Amino acid sequence: QKEVEQNSGPLSVPEGAIASLNCTYSDRGSQSFFWYRQYSGKSPELIMFIYSNGDKEDGRFTAQLNKASQYVSLLIRDSQPSDSATYLCAVNRAGNNRKLIWGLGTSLAVNP
Amino acid sequence: EPEVTQTPSHQVTQMGQEVILRCVPISNHLYFYWYRQILGQKVEFLVSFYNNEISEKSEIFDDQFSVERPDGSNFTLKIRSTKLEDSAMYFCASREQGASYEQYFGPGTRLTVT
Repeated sequence: QKEVEQNSGPLSVPEGAIASLNCTYSDRGSQSFFWYRQYSGKSPELIMFIYSNGDKEDGRFTAQLNKASQYVSLLIRDSQPSDSATYLCAVNRAGNNRKLIWGLGTSLAVNP
Repeated sequence: EPEVTQTPSHQVTQMGQEVILRCVPISNHLYFYWYRQILGQKVEFLVSFYNNEISEKSEIFDDQFSVERPDGSNFTLKIRSTKLEDSAMYFCASREQGASYEQYFGPGTRLTVT
């Protein structure tokens, strides 16, 4: 069974702090790794993706990938109350299909 | 900015009835997907569609489910005889051809089976 695991939280951080979200995956054939944000009752919204080991930065967000440890993380700098949501980690394998396999998500609460 | 659209936003149906969920993917995208999310659970892959045929389907996607691209814009998911456990949010997603990694999601259809 190919699994993507996340700590369900809730993770609570004060406004302005760094939020750190973690994800592990079991399939060593996984190629691309995605972070989506989901507000309650809404659809997943892509934040960023990463496919090479190391860090990838986009504004306040940094994704980190370590394929040897099968670990991907998302850092949110200067957290804002509007960042409060569930953060979903998803992975796919190489190939044309690229279906996404999802974690359950981590609930983040940013407190003013 | 182009976006994936889905209709209806909420569908209530009785057990055993047929439902059709509709999606309009982003116009230059060639890969289409259906996912579902039961309340409080993970998002689950149902089916992917490319070049007018199913490219992969999950164990969930049994004979009660079918997909169709009836014209150049719509992409539909049909459930022939709904069960209580089909109650979920159904998301359509689309992706460009080639090495593009990103899948863009529609707003979802909330299906409630009573």
